[in-house]
Amino acid sequence: QVQLVESGGGLVKPGGSLRLSCGASGFSFSDYYMSWVRQAPGKGLEWISYISTSGSTIYYADSVRGRFTISRDNAKNSLHLQMNSLRAEDTAVYYCARDIGMLRGLDPWGQGTLVTVSS
Amino acid sequence: QSALTQPASVSGSPGQSITISCTGTGGEIGGFFYVSWYQQHPGKAPKLMIYDVTTRPSGVSNRFSGSKSGNTASLTISGLQAEDEADYYCSSYSTSGTLVLFGGGTKLTVL
Repeated sequence: QVQLVESGGGLVKPGGSLRLSCGASGFSFSDYYMSWVRQAPGKGLEWISYISTSGSTIYYADSVRGRFTISRDNAKNSLHLQMNSLRAEDTAVYYCARDIGMLRGLDPWGQGTLVTVSS
Repeated sequence: QSALTQPASVSGSPGQSITISCTGTGGEIGGFFYVSWYQQHPGKAPKLMIYDVTTRPSGVSNRFSGSKSGNTASLTISGLQAEDEADYYCSSYSTSGTLVLFGGGTKLTVL
């Protein structure tokens, strides 16, 4: 079945870096656009980044642009999020999700990985 | 503060129908047919319930329906069931700097 599994979360100090990964299985990963969405503890969802099938088109939310970098490795069916200059407000569960097409919806989502930014 | 506004909470009894609204501040909802809705149970990942304003993904109950009028989208759940109790988020494509906006979420309580 279609499955997305995130990894790489953890505790990091303000100003630090972290690289998240998302492994995909059960579908042709290279045929789908992908997104990262995060959810701060007890808060709502926030879309943060999107990447096209080839990686040639990338978008970021204003809140992470210039600090986060999305990438993908179609040969390894994996999606990544490099997060630099982390701030306390980046603390959240980070989800990867498959785009159904042109930012029209996200399905399915992974189980999420928690990133905590604290000294 | 979210760019899409949802009521913080709604409630209904089993068998009843409820509607959750989602209002945009600009042309996001009114300008495009890219509104989606997600259901999230506590501690779980969100699940897509509606996309393209009115379309249900395969496997989603037909008790869930979507619509929009002007800059407000709505999710209606008919025949409420206990398992429907969850948080619901609307989302829309936007031409602003952030291309995808989410609402703040609505907590549905089944009485």
